[in-house]
Amino acid sequence: DAKTTQPTSMDCAEGRAANLPCNHSTISGNEYVYWYRQIHSQGPQYIIHGLKNNETNEMASLIITEDRKSSTLILPHATLRDTAVYYCIVRVTPISGGYNKLIFGAGTRLAVHP
Amino acid sequence: GAGVSQSPSNKVTEKGKDVELRCDPISGHTALYWYRQSLGQGLEFLIYFQGNSAPDKSGLPSDRFSAERTGGSVSTLTIQRTQQEDSAVYLCASTVKVGELFFGEGSRLTVL
Repeated sequence: DAKTTQPTSMDCAEGRAANLPCNHSTISGNEYVYWYRQIHSQGPQYIIHGLKNNETNEMASLIITEDRKSSTLILPHATLRDTAVYYCIVRVTPISGGYNKLIFGAGTRLAVHP
Repeated sequence: GAGVSQSPSNKVTEKGKDVELRCDPISGHTALYWYRQSLGQGLEFLIYFQGNSAPDKSGLPSDRFSAERTGGSVSTLTIQRTQQEDSAVYLCASTVKVGELFFGEGSRLTVL
Protein backbone atom coordinates (compact mmCIF):
# COMPACT_ATOMS: atom_id res chain seq x y z
CA ASP A 1 0.00 0.00 0.00
CA ALA A 2 3.01 2.32 0.19
CA LYS A 3 2.72 5.15 -2.32
CA THR A 4 6.33 6.22 -2.12
CA THR A 5 9.63 5.06 -3.62
CA GLN A 6 12.93 5.53 -1.81
CA PRO A 7 16.47 4.25 -2.39
CA THR A 8 17.24 1.21 -0.28
CA SER A 9 20.39 2.67 1.24
CA MET A 10 22.62 5.74 1.24
CA ASP A 11 25.92 6.79 2.74
CA CYS A 12 26.95 10.16 4.03
CA ALA A 13 30.13 11.54 5.58
CA GLU A 14 29.85 13.03 9.03
CA GLY A 15 29.42 16.79 8.91
CA ARG A 16 28.14 16.79 5.35
CA ALA A 17 24.55 17.30 4.26
CA ALA A 18 22.48 14.17 3.79
CA ASN A 19 19.90 14.47 1.02
CA LEU A 20 17.31 11.71 1.05
CA PRO A 21 15.03 11.56 -1.99
CA CYS A 22 11.49 10.26 -2.18
CA ASN A 23 9.26 9.76 -5.17
CA HIS A 24 5.49 10.07 -4.72
CA SER A 25 4.29 10.58 -8.27
CA THR A 26 0.68 9.57 -7.56
CA ILE A 27 0.19 11.97 -4.67
CA SER A 28 -3.16 13.73 -4.52
CA GLY A 29 -3.61 17.43 -4.02
CA ASN A 30 -4.61 17.20 -0.38
CA GLU A 31 -2.14 14.54 0.72
CA TYR A 32 0.73 15.44 3.00
CA VAL A 33 4.26 14.06 2.90
CA TYR A 34 5.64 12.89 6.24
CA TRP A 35 9.15 11.84 7.20
CA TYR A 36 10.03 9.60 10.11
CA ARG A 37 13.24 7.89 11.12
CA GLN A 38 13.95 4.77 13.11
CA ILE A 39 17.21 4.35 14.94
CA HIS A 40 18.16 0.76 15.59
CA SER A 41 16.04 -0.95 18.26
CA GLN A 42 13.90 2.13 18.85
CA GLY A 43 10.42 3.17 17.79
CA PRO A 44 10.10 5.52 14.81
CA GLN A 45 10.48 9.24 15.43
CA TYR A 46 8.57 11.97 13.63
CA ILE A 47 10.84 14.42 11.76
CA ILE A 48 8.85 16.78 9.58
CA HIS A 49 5.92 17.02 7.18
CA GLY A 50 4.69 19.28 4.40
CA LEU A 51 1.99 19.80 1.81
CA LYS A 52 3.44 21.99 -0.94
CA ASN A 53 5.76 24.53 0.65
CA ASN A 54 9.27 23.79 1.82
CA GLU A 55 9.50 23.26 5.55
CA THR A 56 12.30 23.54 8.09
CA ASN A 57 12.55 22.67 11.74
CA GLU A 58 15.31 21.97 14.22
CA MET A 59 15.87 18.49 12.84
CA ALA A 60 15.71 18.84 9.08
CA SER A 61 14.46 20.61 5.98
CA LEU A 62 11.88 19.26 3.55
CA ILE A 63 11.97 20.32 -0.06
CA ILE A 64 8.89 19.46 -2.15
CA THR A 65 8.99 19.89 -5.92
CA GLU A 66 6.49 22.23 -7.50
CA ASP A 67 4.56 19.36 -9.09
CA ARG A 68 4.67 17.56 -5.69
CA LYS A 69 5.75 14.32 -7.33
CA SER A 70 8.91 14.10 -5.27
CA SER A 71 10.56 15.49 -2.18
CA THR A 72 13.94 15.56 -0.45
CA LEU A 73 14.69 15.42 3.23
CA ILE A 74 17.85 17.32 4.09
CA LEU A 75 19.89 16.79 7.22
CA PRO A 76 22.22 19.78 6.94
CA HIS A 77 25.12 18.49 9.03
CA ALA A 78 24.82 14.75 9.48
CA THR A 79 26.21 13.16 12.63
CA LEU A 80 26.85 9.53 13.51
CA ARG A 81 23.64 9.63 15.56
CA ASP A 82 21.67 10.27 12.36
CA THR A 83 22.39 6.72 11.19
CA ALA A 84 18.90 5.26 10.88
CA VAL A 85 16.18 4.10 8.50
CA TYR A 86 14.30 7.08 7.07
CA TYR A 87 10.70 6.65 6.00
CA CYS A 88 8.90 8.89 3.53
CA ILE A 89 5.13 8.51 3.88
CA VAL A 90 2.15 9.93 2.08
CA ARG A 91 -0.75 10.17 4.48
CA VAL A 92 -3.69 8.19 3.21
CA THR A 93 -6.68 10.48 3.15
CA PRO A 94 -10.00 8.62 3.14
CA ILE A 95 -12.33 9.46 0.30
CA SER A 96 -15.32 9.79 2.58
CA GLY A 97 -15.19 9.51 6.32
CA GLY A 98 -12.93 6.86 7.69
CA TYR A 99 -9.62 7.48 9.30
CA ASN A 100 -6.19 8.74 8.54
CA LYS A 101 -3.41 6.21 8.87
CA LEU A 102 0.24 6.20 7.95
CA ILE A 103 1.51 3.39 5.77
CA PHE A 104 5.25 2.85 6.19
CA GLY A 105 7.30 1.48 3.32
CA ALA A 106 10.77 -0.04 3.50
CA GLY A 107 12.52 3.31 3.88
CA THR A 108 16.12 4.33 3.19
CA ARG A 109 18.88 3.02 5.41
CA LEU A 110 21.23 5.97 5.93
CA ALA A 111 24.71 5.22 7.17
CA VAL A 112 26.71 8.22 8.40
CA HIS A 113 30.42 7.44 8.58
CA PRO A 114 33.36 9.34 10.10
CA GLY B 1 5.53 9.50 32.15
CA ALA B 2 6.09 11.72 29.19
CA GLY B 3 6.10 9.12 26.44
CA VAL B 4 4.17 6.12 25.16
CA SER B 5 4.74 3.16 27.46
CA GLN B 6 4.52 -0.45 26.30
CA SER B 7 4.68 -3.66 28.26
CA PRO B 8 6.12 -6.18 28.37
CA SER B 9 9.26 -5.06 26.58
CA ASN B 10 10.06 -8.69 25.81
CA LYS B 11 7.80 -11.71 25.73
CA VAL B 12 8.75 -15.29 24.92
CA THR B 13 5.90 -17.72 24.54
CA GLU B 14 5.18 -21.15 23.20
CA LYS B 15 3.30 -21.77 20.01
CA GLY B 16 -0.43 -22.00 20.69
CA LYS B 17 -0.45 -19.78 23.77
CA ASP B 18 -2.32 -16.49 24.01
CA VAL B 19 -0.47 -13.21 24.66
CA GLU B 20 -1.53 -9.72 25.67
CA LEU B 21 0.48 -6.62 24.90
CA ARG B 22 -0.28 -3.35 26.64
CA CYS B 23 0.06 0.25 25.52
CA ASP B 24 -0.24 3.35 27.69
CA PRO B 25 -0.50 6.35 25.35
CA ILE B 26 0.49 9.91 26.12
CA SER B 27 -2.16 11.54 28.28
CA GLY B 28 -4.68 13.45 26.21
CA HIS B 29 -3.82 11.75 22.94
CA THR B 30 -7.05 10.75 21.26
CA ALA B 31 -5.65 8.53 18.52
CA LEU B 32 -3.79 5.27 19.08
CA TYR B 33 -2.15 2.97 16.54
CA TRP B 34 -0.70 -0.52 16.62
CA TYR B 35 1.96 -1.59 14.13
CA ARG B 36 4.21 -4.60 13.98
CA GLN B 37 7.69 -4.95 12.58
CA SER B 38 9.24 -8.26 11.66
CA LEU B 39 13.01 -8.58 11.75
CA GLY B 40 14.61 -6.38 9.11
CA GLN B 41 11.25 -5.30 7.70
CA GLY B 42 9.24 -2.09 7.63
CA LEU B 43 6.25 -1.30 9.79
CA GLU B 44 2.96 -3.08 9.13
CA PHE B 45 -0.20 -1.25 10.18
CA LEU B 46 -2.52 -3.31 12.37
CA ILE B 47 -5.27 -1.19 13.92
CA TYR B 48 -6.19 2.43 14.65
CA PHE B 49 -8.39 3.91 17.39
CA GLN B 50 -9.74 7.45 17.28
CA GLY B 51 -11.69 8.67 20.28
CA ASN B 52 -14.93 6.79 20.76
CA SER B 53 -15.32 5.90 17.10
CA ALA B 54 -15.23 2.35 15.80
CA PRO B 55 -11.61 1.33 15.23
CA ASP B 56 -10.05 0.75 11.82
CA LYS B 57 -9.16 -2.95 12.00
CA SER B 58 -8.20 -3.28 8.36
CA GLY B 59 -4.60 -4.26 9.10
CA LEU B 60 -5.23 -7.14 11.48
CA PRO B 61 -3.75 -10.21 9.74
CA SER B 62 -6.21 -12.79 11.05
CA ASP B 63 -9.06 -13.28 13.51
CA ARG B 64 -6.50 -14.45 16.06
CA PHE B 65 -5.60 -10.78 16.51
CA SER B 66 -7.81 -8.37 18.41
CA ALA B 67 -7.38 -5.09 20.23
CA GLU B 68 -9.37 -2.92 22.53
CA ARG B 69 -8.97 0.49 24.03
CA THR B 70 -10.63 1.05 27.36
CA GLY B 71 -11.79 4.47 28.48
CA GLY B 72 -10.12 6.08 25.52
CA SER B 73 -6.72 5.50 27.04
CA VAL B 74 -4.94 2.18 27.62
CA SER B 75 -4.99 -0.32 24.78
CA THR B 76 -4.42 -4.07 24.78
CA LEU B 77 -3.47 -6.10 21.73
CA THR B 78 -4.33 -9.77 22.11
CA ILE B 79 -2.96 -12.57 19.97
CA GLN B 80 -4.65 -15.92 20.41
CA ARG B 81 -3.07 -19.28 19.61
CA THR B 82 0.25 -17.68 18.70
CA GLN B 83 2.20 -18.93 15.69
CA GLN B 84 5.89 -18.60 14.95
CA GLU B 85 5.15 -16.08 12.20
CA ASP B 86 3.69 -13.78 14.86
CA SER B 87 7.22 -13.18 16.17
CA ALA B 88 7.91 -9.48 15.72
CA VAL B 89 8.20 -6.17 17.53
CA TYR B 90 4.76 -4.74 18.21
CA LEU B 91 4.80 -0.94 18.25
CA CYS B 92 2.18 1.36 19.68
CA ALA B 93 1.86 5.03 18.82
CA SER B 94 -0.42 7.83 19.96
CA THR B 95 -1.13 11.32 18.73
CA VAL B 96 -3.36 14.32 19.08
CA LYS B 97 -2.27 15.78 15.76
CA VAL B 98 -2.95 13.75 12.64
CA GLY B 99 0.23 12.31 11.18
CA GLU B 100 2.60 13.22 14.01
CA LEU B 101 2.82 9.96 15.86
CA PHE B 102 4.70 9.31 19.06
CA PHE B 103 5.89 5.73 19.23
CA GLY B 104 6.73 3.57 22.20
CA GLU B 105 9.80 1.37 22.34
CA GLY B 106 7.81 -1.69 21.35
CA SER B 107 7.12 -5.14 22.72
CA ARG B 108 9.32 -7.85 21.25
CA LEU B 109 7.38 -11.09 20.90
CA THR B 110 9.14 -14.38 20.29
CA VAL B 111 7.04 -17.46 19.63
CA LEU B 112 8.95 -20.71 20.04
